[in-house]
Amino acid sequence: DIVLTQSPGTLSLSPGERATLSCRASQRISSNFVAWYQQKPGQAPRLLIYGASSRFTGIPDRFSGSGSGTDFTLTISRLEPEDFAVYYCQHYGTSLFTFGPGTKVDIK
Amino acid sequence: QVQLQESGPGLVKPSGTLSLTCAVSGGSISSLNWWTWVRQPPGKGLEWIGEIYHSGTTNYNPSLRSRVTISLDNSKNQFSVSLNSVTAADTAIYYCARDVHYYRSGTYYYYFDYWGQGALVTVSS
Repeated sequence: DIVLTQSPGTLSLSPGERATLSCRASQRISSNFVAWYQQKPGQAPRLLIYGASSRFTGIPDRFSGSGSGTDFTLTISRLEPEDFAVYYCQHYGTSLFTFGPGTKVDIK
Repeated sequence: QVQLQESGPGLVKPSGTLSLTCAVSGGSISSLNWWTWVRQPPGKGLEWIGEIYHSGTTNYNPSLRSRVTISLDNSKNQFSVSLNSVTAADTAIYYCARDVHYYRSGTYYYYFDYWGQGALVTVSS
């Protein structure tokens, strides 16, 4: 089974800074099957990116996804106050979805 | 816009059965979509439980397959999850979501686009 590892575990940044979040798969995977979610305390996850790089409807363009093979990245170009949250990557493979452990982006 | 709402008992006794329902509004559960359940233990990450297609076809997380059943009720526009032989480790927030298998330009994309607000289920005597 594919195992997803996210790094760093916590990212401490200031508003306006750039955030770079990593998701690494234990083996090569299709980028079409990679999604990213944002979760704020007390809320359900929110879809940001699917297919590794396609922004979902209504997601600001400061969020971007990239990557291929085993390494995928979510970038937030300039952090807004509402962006401080936990971010999860997700993979679909052979009728099984798996999530990474998450990266918390908090205020420095 | 599609909206989902979980409902069910918030407290289940150990060895009992956890049952939750997800009511779907703003769209038909019989449309060409899958529907899924995800859970999150307090303070921890997300775990996929399983999914069901409008035809009734299901896929489950192998780690839970022996204990879980997902079903749907087209007449009520809702789907449900049942987890038996529960322990404290099953204490979690349970989310339902629309599970999209999207075909475009020769390939499929998979993601969960609409989510319920979540329902906390505690397993305790």
